[in-house]
Amino acid sequence: ETGVTQTPRHLVMGMTNKKSLKCEQHLGHNAMYWYKQSAKKPLELMFVYNFKEQTENNSVPSRFSPECPNSSHLFLHLHTLQPEDSALYLCASSQGMAGRNYNEQFFGPGTRLTVL
Amino acid sequence: AQSVTQPDIHITVSEGASLELRCNYSYGATPYLFWYVQSPGQGLQLLLKYFSGDTLVQGIKGFEAEFKRSQSSFNLRKPSVHWSDAAEYFCAVGGGTGGFKTIFGAGTRLFVKA
Repeated sequence: ETGVTQTPRHLVMGMTNKKSLKCEQHLGHNAMYWYKQSAKKPLELMFVYNFKEQTENNSVPSRFSPECPNSSHLFLHLHTLQPEDSALYLCASSQGMAGRNYNEQFFGPGTRLTVL
Repeated sequence: AQSVTQPDIHITVSEGASLELRCNYSYGATPYLFWYVQSPGQGLQLLLKYFSGDTLVQGIKGFEAEFKRSQSSFNLRKPSVHWSDAAEYFCAVGGGTGGFKTIFGAGTRLFVKA
């Protein structure tokens, strides 16, 4: 595998379900990101991790819970979601380095989430 | 406030015609500027970036962009569009002293007619 991979590619869940999205990057990067992409809205940054530490939480509801066990893997745990959470969830990574915010991001293909 | 504006929601051009997609930004620090392209069902792919130096930058797939500080603009151009260029294009600003947060524009959908 190369680049940034995301699984699953499609997910349908009920409002009471618990599911997780997975992202893996094979680029040797140190920073990883979750974005939400909804129709007719700009890309919304949700979370940023740099060297496994969360550096950004963009006022995301607690029903979204990120986890970054190492610099190559990023998870987004989902529970009691709402229909308005249906969107494309994109993962990205970049070569973040201490003292230098180099911000070119590489994106995965996304997970299309539908909440019923 | 930090923001990126892409004034055109969608643009239609004929194959072989030239293309210019507009982008204006507002950013407190020295901006790092990006253009990404997204094909249906795919993630975003970087076309080109500007960090410093020459204000005319070349990217992949024959695209170029020009940074104009006085106009706070970073417009994307291509001299001759191909049908495979039909996609959504996003301008973004971020990085540098602004940290890891990147602000994306709402996107411009490009349609190419034969």
